[in-house]
Amino acid sequence: DADVTQTPRNRITKTGKRIMLECSQTKGHDRMYWYRQDPGLGLRLIYYSFDVKDINKGEISDGYSVSRQAQAKFSLSLESAIPNQTALYFCATSDPGQGTREQYFGPGTRLTVT
Amino acid sequence: DQQVKQNSPSLSVQEGRISILNCDYTNSMFDYFLWYKKYPAEGPTFLISISSIKDKNEDGRFTVFLNKSAKHLSLHIVPSQPGDSAVYFCAARRPGAGSYQLTFGKGTKLSVIP
Repeated sequence: DADVTQTPRNRITKTGKRIMLECSQTKGHDRMYWYRQDPGLGLRLIYYSFDVKDINKGEISDGYSVSRQAQAKFSLSLESAIPNQTALYFCATSDPGQGTREQYFGPGTRLTVT
Repeated sequence: DQQVKQNSPSLSVQEGRISILNCDYTNSMFDYFLWYKKYPAEGPTFLISISSIKDKNEDGRFTVFLNKSAKHLSLHIVPSQPGDSAVYFCAARRPGAGSYQLTFGKGTKLSVIP
């Protein structure tokens, strides 16, 4: 089983709809992240969480909100989706306490807003 | 302001030859650099990293070189194999309060031709 899972893998929604993307991890990591990737661009950080009580905005948080329901679960919500939120969304985890700096990514959710 | 730049969107290499992927950065505060590989429909996977106090790190067929004075790093893959065909992202990390955040380049698509 994958260490970081994301649901749904693909989603098409209409402008103005609320949508939630979910992320679960079995790695036992405290830190979780949400990124988006647009064609021809690198990954940009939306939100990150160091633990259940710690939520922080990233580089491009406008139009998004998150919820850290448990250590293993981190959800990203688009309250009112707009077409320029069409992108590939990735969840990631990390645990600097293990002495490593890399982040581990889920398979991604392809979101299309029409 | 793009702090991590991968100026080559694509690269084609013959199987068995060396692949060299380049990355430039502008922020001298970055203290750790990572390379990720991404296949279609999958999340990025960590490949290799290097600390700013080193100039070379090697892991099997993969070697990363860092030239701090030039703010340049490169990933060498020798010998290149068809399975190496993927998009490669360079990422950089700042220490301290910003250590949660990785700054990614736009990626370079490597095609290894059999």
